[in-house]
Amino acid sequence: DTGVSQDPRHKITKRGQNVTFRCDPISEHNRLYWYRQTLGQGPEFLTYFQNEAQLEKSRLLSDRFSAERPKGSFSTLEIQRTEQGDSAMYLCASGTEYNEQFFGPGTRLTVL
Amino acid sequence: GDSVTQMEGPVTLSEEAFLTINCTYTATGYPSLFWYVQYPGEGLQLLLKATKADDKGSNKGFEATYRKETTSFHLEKGSVQVSDSAVYFCALSDTTGNTPLVFGKGTRLSVIA
Repeated sequence: DTGVSQDPRHKITKRGQNVTFRCDPISEHNRLYWYRQTLGQGPEFLTYFQNEAQLEKSRLLSDRFSAERPKGSFSTLEIQRTEQGDSAMYLCASGTEYNEQFFGPGTRLTVL
Repeated sequence: GDSVTQMEGPVTLSEEAFLTINCTYTATGYPSLFWYVQYPGEGLQLLLKATKADDKGSNKGFEATYRKETTSFHLEKGSVQVSDSAVYFCALSDTTGNTPLVFGKGTRLSVIA
């Protein structure tokens, strides 16, 4: 399967804990995007990379959110000191400068 | 900033009925427009797209035409099936889809036999 993969698919954590999600893009794609989707809403853009460069991060929801793509392949999204309001589906997508974005299955985060 | 507004659901139709889901947008310049579909338990999938005015995107019997004069991109299908039950999202980007997407809130469609 050469689609976008995300790990874990589900994460339950307690308020105040740190969590990290991983996204593996389609191998030939140099762009990688993170979105957040809350119940009943469309996905909301967070940040994106071209290769290892983070092109936009001002839309990250707070300074508790950070993302990396150190080698231009997989990416991680970390949330520090989680809050109940962080509960959502976190989506990753990949693409190139010339084609549309392909989405992974998402990581569902529940903060208790 | 850019935004997308789509009709609220849920929409419930009988099999073989005609489907329209309205989508309008606000954007500077000339965005590209998309419909994504999310089947139960699955990730978002691109359904169709249009990159310039008057383009018609089509796939799996679904169609949408990019109307610049009305800033709309309504999704239509002539005869829906139970398997079309899903959530449909209208979205835009400012180029061909390689910049961050702006999504509408989604419209849930249920098709009953």
